[in-house]
Amino acid sequence: DIQMTQSPSVLSASVGDRVTLNCKASQNINKYLNWYQQKLGEAPKLLIYNTNNLQTGIPSRFSGSGSGTDYTLTISSLQPEDVATYFCFQHNSWPLTFGSGTKLEIK
Amino acid sequence: EVQLVESGGGLVQPGRSLKLSCAASGFTFSNYGMAWVCQAPTKGLEWVASISTGGGNTYYRDSVKGRFTISRDNAKNTLYLQMDSLRSEDTATYYCARRTTTTFFDYWGQGVMVTVSS
Repeated sequence: DIQMTQSPSVLSASVGDRVTLNCKASQNINKYLNWYQQKLGEAPKLLIYNTNNLQTGIPSRFSGSGSGTDYTLTISSLQPEDVATYFCFQHNSWPLTFGSGTKLEIK
Repeated sequence: EVQLVESGGGLVQPGRSLKLSCAASGFTFSNYGMAWVCQAPTKGLEWVASISTGGGNTYYRDSVKGRFTISRDNAKNTLYLQMDSLRSEDTATYYCARRTTTTFFDYWGQGVMVTVSS
């Protein structure tokens, strides 16, 4: 199974900060990497698919990059409504696997 | 508007069965693969099972193989998860999700809680 390791597990930042979340796969996942945002008590929402493609309706302050085993989600200017847990997800091979999440907080 | 509404959750004793449903609307259900993803209390997300558009291909995580069965009824626009021989570690919120060939899991339901306890 491909293990997905996210870091940090908790991130505290100020409104307006540029924030970077990391996701490392245990083997090459060929850019088949999605990012999901989950707010408390809600279902996950797709932000980025296949590493760097912004899902329709998602603000442009969200962006993704990476290749091979290393991927990042960047929020260019953190907003209060971005408080959530962010999960990476690989769909390169079965079984499909998620990272354990990064909880993003506002200072 | 795409909508996925799960139902059928609840409290069940270990070893018993439960069947979850996911009613889909706002899109042509038969054109999309579907899946179930679970989330144990205060834990991360875990893929459970997937099914192809026609139902002919199914995939499961190892821990549920032989116990869970994913199926669909395209005439009723409904996805199912038959859960047998339930264990305490199956306790979680279960989400159904739509799969596309481009974005993979794009829309998710609000989830249904399953609690396995004596």
